[in-house]
Amino acid sequence: DAKTTQPPSMDCAEGRAANLPCNHSTISGNEYVYWYRQIHSQGPQYIIHGLKNNETNEMASLIITEDRKSSTLILPHATLRDTAVYYCIVRVASKAAGNKLTFGGGTRVLVKP
Amino acid sequence: SAVISQKPSRDICQRGTSLTIQCQVDSQVTMMFWYRQQPGQSLTLIATANQGSEATYESGFVIDKFPISRPNLTFSTLTVSNMSPEDSSIYLCSVLWGHPNQPQHFGDGTRLSIL
Repeated sequence: DAKTTQPPSMDCAEGRAANLPCNHSTISGNEYVYWYRQIHSQGPQYIIHGLKNNETNEMASLIITEDRKSSTLILPHATLRDTAVYYCIVRVASKAAGNKLTFGGGTRVLVKP
Repeated sequence: SAVISQKPSRDICQRGTSLTIQCQVDSQVTMMFWYRQQPGQSLTLIATANQGSEATYESGFVIDKFPISRPNLTFSTLTVSNMSPEDSSIYLCSVLWGHPNQPQHFGDGTRLSIL
């Protein structure tokens, strides 16, 4: 699976949009981009995933560049409860490939009042 | 999404002993995985639990140390054997159901401390 690069930390203002970047320049055509977050003392929580198109759900939006070499997770209105470590993961979605998730260091996001 | 329950949620154990962690899902899943998260670190995959056959271990993890069972489509166990302080970690179960492009979902983990 392709590697991802994320900033180690970032601060966001409560009520403002939080834009979390992820670089995956070696992504291949059959690899999906997944975003998870881990709030202290909990297991990772799935946020959103996509292949080529931009995606939106009740938690966030995922913007994938046309060349698929980078993506941005957008939390539209950050709250204090969004403080967490956010992981961007790229993986091949196939049973033959093992469906494994390889976690990097993630981005530690602190939402400030 | 399904409910994923791990037991115990935490434990403190003596070195040299073994502990079995259970992962129960309230619906049938396609795949089950076990991860380890050492203090201050990210998650590392230990193995894929295969129903009715031996688990598939990642590099650096062996069956003698981390025996895994998966007797059916909703349940798996991970045993941490002959524990030492270096095994103090959070152990997490994750599951995948449906199409392979669907996301994995995680339990809240077992916090293990070895004295």
